[in-house]
Amino acid sequence: QKEVEQDPGPLSVPEGAIVSLNCTYSNSAFQYFMWYRQYSRKGPELLMYTYSSGNKEDGRFTAQVDKSSKYISLFIRDSQPSDSATYLCAMRKTGFQKLVFGTGTRLLVSP
Amino acid sequence: NAGVMQNPRHLVRRRGQEARLRCSPMKGHSHVYWYRQLPEEGLKFMVYLQKENIIDESGMPKERFSAEFPKEGPSILRIQQVVRGDSAAYFCASSLDNYGYTFGSGTRLTVV
Repeated sequence: QKEVEQDPGPLSVPEGAIVSLNCTYSNSAFQYFMWYRQYSRKGPELLMYTYSSGNKEDGRFTAQVDKSSKYISLFIRDSQPSDSATYLCAMRKTGFQKLVFGTGTRLLVSP
Repeated sequence: NAGVMQNPRHLVRRRGQEARLRCSPMKGHSHVYWYRQLPEEGLKFMVYLQKENIIDESGMPKERFSAEFPKEGPSILRIQQVVRGDSAAYFCASSLDNYGYTFGSGTRLTVV
C-alpha cells in the first residue's frame, strides 16, 4: 500500500466548474500538507501549504485537511483552461524535510 | 530574482556512461533537495543537502548515485554507469527554511 493515494484521472470539467481533487494517506505522523501544480515538462509549483487539520483559502483555491479521516482536498472555484495541469498532493512529518507525494491527478478544463 | 536553475534540461547518455546533473538554488536558500519522477509516478525523494553536508539520503540508491552541495557552486547529482532504468526527470528544489520548496524545471535524462 502506498503512503499517499491519489486518483490519476484525467478529470475533465467545463470552464467555470468547481473542481475537487483529493488524496488519502496512511501515516498519521504527517502534519504538513501541500498541493503542487505541474504543467507539462515543467517543475511543480507550490499552490497551498497547510499545517494539521482545517481549511485554508487563497483566491480560487481552498485546501482542506481532515486528519481524523486521513483525507485532504483541494477545491478550485471558477476553473479556467489555464488550470489544466497535473495536481500533486504532498505531505511531510514534523522534523523531516522529505516530502511524500501522491502520483498526481491530471485536470483538463475545456473552454 | 532567478528561481532554481537546473542544467542541462535534457541529457542523453549511453548505458555505462556517467550523468552529472547540476542545480543552483534560489539566492539565499541553503537547503537543496533532489527528487526523481518516473513516467506515471509521483516524485520520489532522493536526498536532502545543506552546504557541504548530506542531511538525509534515505531515498538514494545505494550504488552508483551520489550527491554533493559544496561551499561554492551548484549542487551536483551524479549517476555513474547509467542504466536504462535511470531514465527519468530529476528535479531539484531549494528552500530557505522549513516552508514549501521551490522546484526547478528539471533535467530529463534519457539512457540509450
